[in-house]
Amino acid sequence: GAGVSQTPSNKVTEKGKYVELRCDPISGHTALYWYRQSLGQGPEFLIYFQGTGAADDSGLPNDRFFAVRPEGSVSTLKIQRTERGDSAVYLCASRTTGGPYNEQFFGPGTRLTVL
Amino acid sequence: KQEVTQIPAALSVPEGENLVLNCSFTDSAIYNLQWFRQDPGKGLTSLLLIQSSQREQTSGRLNASLDKSSGRSTLYIAASQPGDSATYLCAVRGGGANNLFFGTGTRLTVIP
Repeated sequence: GAGVSQTPSNKVTEKGKYVELRCDPISGHTALYWYRQSLGQGPEFLIYFQGTGAADDSGLPNDRFFAVRPEGSVSTLKIQRTERGDSAVYLCASRTTGGPYNEQFFGPGTRLTVL
Repeated sequence: KQEVTQIPAALSVPEGENLVLNCSFTDSAIYNLQWFRQDPGKGLTSLLLIQSSQREQTSGRLNASLDKSSGRSTLYIAASQPGDSATYLCAVRGGGANNLFFGTGTRLTVIP
């Protein structure tokens, strides 16, 4: 595909349930980021992958949040025991390597609603 | 930790007016600064990217400036149109992960 894709576009779940959000980066982009955007706020960094490994997960709010990228391409953000405060838009971005100057390209996001 | 502030939070202007959106950041050790547009319920569209060594970038009716030493950037929109109505987000890249630090955005309404 031409851009970053994310599925599902919308997810409604009940408090306490487990959810998985998927990100398909631009082909060849080795760096992948997850951000979370709450209503009326700017996106906040969650986790960064360089290849298959999580190079920086300092933005994950607690241990209910986990992300994987087993083959260095598609990434899945996993949220256990969801809480109403997890409701937000989850954005994924990717970029090429070659230093920090390269632009990040964002997907359309997954809107998560926890009832 | 890097803090990014955008002023004003909301702005309404009549069509055709030129306008300036402001962004400030606390840590000048950045790699670059990016301006995004976000329509309601949508993702982020990159408008302009300014590297830390650059002073400004232009694209069509948009011009973004960067003063890294003072921690400021402006986005100038010329001859505004109703289609420019959206939220504009400023973000700087830095930190160990080279992640983006975002402001809370300026919600722009251009009145026909």
